[in-house]
Amino acid sequence: QKEVEQDPGPLSVPEGAIVSLNCTYSNSAFQYFMWYRQYSRKGPELLMYTYSSGNKEDGRFTAQVDKSSKYISLFIRDSQPSDSATYLCASFDTGRRALTFGSGTRLQVQP
Amino acid sequence: NAGVTQTPKFRVLKTGQSMTLLCAQDMNHEYMYWYRQDPGMGLRLIHYSVGEGTTAKGEVPDGYNVSRLKKQNFLLGLESAAPSQTSVYFCASSYVQREETQYFGPGTRLLVL
Repeated sequence: QKEVEQDPGPLSVPEGAIVSLNCTYSNSAFQYFMWYRQYSRKGPELLMYTYSSGNKEDGRFTAQVDKSSKYISLFIRDSQPSDSATYLCASFDTGRRALTFGSGTRLQVQP
Repeated sequence: NAGVTQTPKFRVLKTGQSMTLLCAQDMNHEYMYWYRQDPGMGLRLIHYSVGEGTTAKGEVPDGYNVSRLKKQNFLLGLESAAPSQTSVYFCASSYVQREETQYFGPGTRLLVL
């Protein structure tokens, strides 16, 4: 079983829709949770970063972590065609000092 | 600032050939990492370095070697390439106090025939 599980999609939504991307994880030692965005044939870029449980908002993006259910979410409001990319969730284990990635969800926002 | 850069962008190798991938960062980060990305597998850590002259194994180190002779550079070597090493390779770097936030390069696509 992978430590971070993510539905690969693809997820196709119309422009302006609210997008919900989700991950589950199994390692209770994970303390930090990240979302990376990866455009086709590019490197991942850090989008959102949260520590422990709670919400974090940045413009149209909201990251949510529920440690009790080991659930990580990313919400995108008013989605744009430029949001079309693969979104990778990741978690960091401070004990092992290692970043563990989900396999990514491909999002397509249709104009 | 260029951030993290990788050379080359794309390479085709025959089985048994060797090559070196170069990563450079201009952010004065102490830590550097090499990952490979395969379909359905996500990013997996190959090797990492916590400072000049030091390296350590990650999740999938077999078949690879690394060196960090200068703080800004991290080299990944394949001594005898195998088709199983066909992948996209990403370099990343981070500050020592912020290991959880890593900055990635654009990647190197490697095809081993």
